[in-house]
Amino acid sequence: GEDVEQSLFLSVREGDSSVINCTYTDSSSTYLYWYKQEPGAGLQLLTYIFSNMDMKQDQRLTVLLNKKDKHLSLRIADTQTGDSAIYFCAESDSWGKLQFGAGTQVVVTP
Amino acid sequence: NAGVTQTPKFQVLKTGQSMTLQCAQDMNHNSMYWYRQDPGMGLRLIYYSASEGTTDKGEVPNGYNVSRLNKREFSLRLESAAPSQTSVYFCASSVGPGADYGYTFGSGTRLTVV
Repeated sequence: GEDVEQSLFLSVREGDSSVINCTYTDSSSTYLYWYKQEPGAGLQLLTYIFSNMDMKQDQRLTVLLNKKDKHLSLRIADTQTGDSAIYFCAESDSWGKLQFGAGTQVVVTP
Repeated sequence: NAGVTQTPKFQVLKTGQSMTLQCAQDMNHNSMYWYRQDPGMGLRLIYYSASEGTTDKGEVPNGYNVSRLNKREFSLRLESAAPSQTSVYFCASSVGPGADYGYTFGSGTRLTVV
């Protein structure tokens, strides 16, 4: 089956940029997603990118996609304490089913 | 507010007991999903329903059954709970295949089996 891999932990200082990386294996993925999970809550869709795009920017969020290397990244500019959460990368198959990574715990320190 | 509603939010079961986790969405979505979340393992798909009237196994279906009661509701049943089923369970819904809106998740059910 397909695998989505992420590093498990990232520590960043408030005001710095965060970069969360993800690799996926299914080259036929149509969309790739980033979800955010705050403590005790469900997952919220942060942003997504269509597979024929290289970059997508949405306010403080920048998604970069390298299809050749099957690498996806999420950059958060000016990271705030409210950005502390678990971030999940996910790829979709042609049926719309999502395969999630294990999640990256982001801790923002003052 | 539109979204996915799960009940209950918390549950403690004894080994061997049964229970049903309820999920309802009011977004007229076609597809619904049940995931479990365990530390360090991300989300694993238990069962899904691509459309009303259909259900299919996901990655970890053993020990579970589902019912797509109607377009809105998708329930998950544990017939004989085991400690290995201690987890956080999430229901999600989506427009359906090929849509680019991702999933909408419920807030989860924290289940402990003792």
